[in-house]
Amino acid sequence: ETGVTQTPRHLVMGMTNKKSLKCEQHLGHNAMYWYKQSAKKPLELMFVYSLEERVENNSVPSRFSPECPNSSHLFLHLHTLQPEDSALYLCASSRGWLAGETDTQYFGPGTRLTVL
Amino acid sequence: AQKVTQAQTEISVVEKEDVTLDCVYETRDTTYYLFWYKQPPSGELVFLIRRNSFDEQNEISGRYSWNFQKSTSSFNFTITASQVVDSAVYFCALSEESGANNLFFGTGTRLTVIP
Repeated sequence: ETGVTQTPRHLVMGMTNKKSLKCEQHLGHNAMYWYKQSAKKPLELMFVYSLEERVENNSVPSRFSPECPNSSHLFLHLHTLQPEDSALYLCASSRGWLAGETDTQYFGPGTRLTVL
Repeated sequence: AQKVTQAQTEISVVEKEDVTLDCVYETRDTTYYLFWYKQPPSGELVFLIRRNSFDEQNEISGRYSWNFQKSTSSFNFTITASQVVDSAVYFCALSEESGANNLFFGTGTRLTVIP
């Protein structure tokens, strides 16, 4: 089983749809992350969960709603998105998330989202 | 200001040539970590290396080598005898001790190895 998996790999949705992205990590990690990767822009950190608690929310619009039911699963619920939200959404996990510690983040394959 | 700069947007080399990908970073922390990731066409970011600010020793792993120079705030990545499978986008990233585990990524360098 690969370390971090994401489903679906591709998603096309209309602006009025509601969909969810799923991430699962099999590494026994305690921290999980959502990133957005748009063309010609650096990866943008969206959310961080540590021990199922949200610890970072980087000014992400409310049309993106994360959920972390346990340390192995992370969801990103999408509703009323805009075409500019089309991007590759990457999930990552690491052993921990604390000031003074830096653990390597391991990434999933991403979900390529297209908003029509 | 951008914390990580990868000035080379795209590089093309012929197979078996050596290629160096540049990375310049900016931080006020004395303790920080630098990373390189590879992103093949499949999309997944593959971890290649992590280096902390107190370890300036260069590292070699097979055809890959990394040159960390604090004096110039650079962490360059060299691939020797490049192969077609090396074609990917390569990202350099920085994590600061003061910033928990947040990663600041550069914009990436797209490497194309021509057979």
